[in-house]
Amino acid sequence: DTAVSQTPKYLVTQMGNDKSIKCEQNLGHDTMYWYKQDSKKFLKIMFSYNNKELIINETVPNRFSPKSPDKAHLNLHINSLELGDSAVYFCASSQGLAGKPETQYFGPGTRLLVL
Amino acid sequence: GQNIDQPTEMTATEGAIVQINCTYQTSGFNGLFWYQQHAGEAPTFLSYNVLDGLEEKGRFSSFLSRSKGYSYLLLKELQMKDSASYLCAVSLAGGGNKLTFGTGTQLKVEL
Repeated sequence: DTAVSQTPKYLVTQMGNDKSIKCEQNLGHDTMYWYKQDSKKFLKIMFSYNNKELIINETVPNRFSPKSPDKAHLNLHINSLELGDSAVYFCASSQGLAGKPETQYFGPGTRLLVL
Repeated sequence: GQNIDQPTEMTATEGAIVQINCTYQTSGFNGLFWYQQHAGEAPTFLSYNVLDGLEEKGRFSSFLSRSKGYSYLLLKELQMKDSASYLCAVSLAGGGNKLTFGTGTQLKVEL
């Protein structure tokens, strides 16, 4: 069984479109994350939710809007896609124990290509 | 700002030992993680250090010196499947378990 899953795996779209990526984890974790990995393989945190509450919001354009309907799901909606949004987007989750650094478990990634 | 440095690429021979270094300068420190990422796949957890010293896990060991802002990942008895990118990541104190990643070290294992 997949612990952290994402859909879709690949997404090719035109500039200006709006798209969503979905993430689900079945590990019973309280915290979920979105990361962006660019063409140089640099992995950068975008957002984090703990039990549906936003706790990390990095400097990300407001075209990106995360939504957590419950603690097992974290979706990412992107408006008005730009060429620079092309990247691999990884979802991750961790247990969510306050104040302690935790191992994060990553999903398989969504490869977004904006044309 | 946060600064985490790793060598970009390394090459080693099957069966050998390789050490991948990571230096960091961050505002606050709550632990250091090493992840492995094969091409086209997700990062997977390898090891974690919060106190100074060596943590051993089979063929993989990780070392931390907080006073020097330095860590290394040691891979023994290298296998071809160890060819991957190795990511050093620092967990920042008060950062909501936020991980700041280095740029990764691409390791190539040759025969």
